Amino acid sequence: NAGVTQTPKFRVLKTGQSMTLLCAQDMNHEYMYWYRQDPGMGLRLIHYSVGEGTTAKGEVPDGYNVSRLKKQNFLLGLESAAPSQTSVYFCASSYERTGELFFGEGSRLTVL
Amino acid sequence: KQEVTQIPAALSVPEGENLVLNCSFTDSAIYNLQWFRQDPGKGLTSLLLIQSSQREQTSGRLNASLDKSSGRSTLYIAASQPGDSATYLCAFSGTYKYIFGTGTRLKVLA
Repeated sequence: NAGVTQTPKFRVLKTGQSMTLLCAQDMNHEYMYWYRQDPGMGLRLIHYSVGEGTTAKGEVPDGYNVSRLKKQNFLLGLESAAPSQTSVYFCASSYERTGELFFGEGSRLTVL
Repeated sequence: KQEVTQIPAALSVPEGENLVLNCSFTDSAIYNLQWFRQDPGKGLTSLLLIQSSQREQTSGRLNASLDKSSGRSTLYIAASQPGDSATYLCAFSGTYKYIFGTGTRLKVLA
């Protein structure tokens, strides 16, 4: 049982480049989330999804796009990376809207 | 604005000590409260989930309590061990999302 898996785990980008982070869960969860974690700021919600084909904005959505084409996958895209997007990104999922959250191991992104 | 505060930000204790980590939140209309552990460079591991109708949950040496009226939750760790060294985060679920505190960094000295 893999739980929540994120790829890649590390990535270095130059300003203006694009990339996609993939999150996959094998628990048949409806709800999936993308967070970013920065020192002293805690985890902030970027986007979330309440089911296949649906996405919504969180606290800090600017500069990011997401897609949920399959129930088990939630993709986070950066179209034109900026240094301010240097962070650790975490994907999480839950069975219910306010249910127990399960996290991936994180993806560390550096934008030069 | 909904906020979660965790005090202290860092804590260092000798092995074997019982300790309490505090979490306070501004919104009493919460659904659930969850405590997590995060090791350096790792993801968050769920420790305890307290649903809004509950007042506490226990797992091994861990006990978490929830007082919605005062906007507080505490995580009690009994007989602390060096392996308990990590950052502990609390999060409460509001209408559609969880809101996280910035965590308490715990170091248990052997």
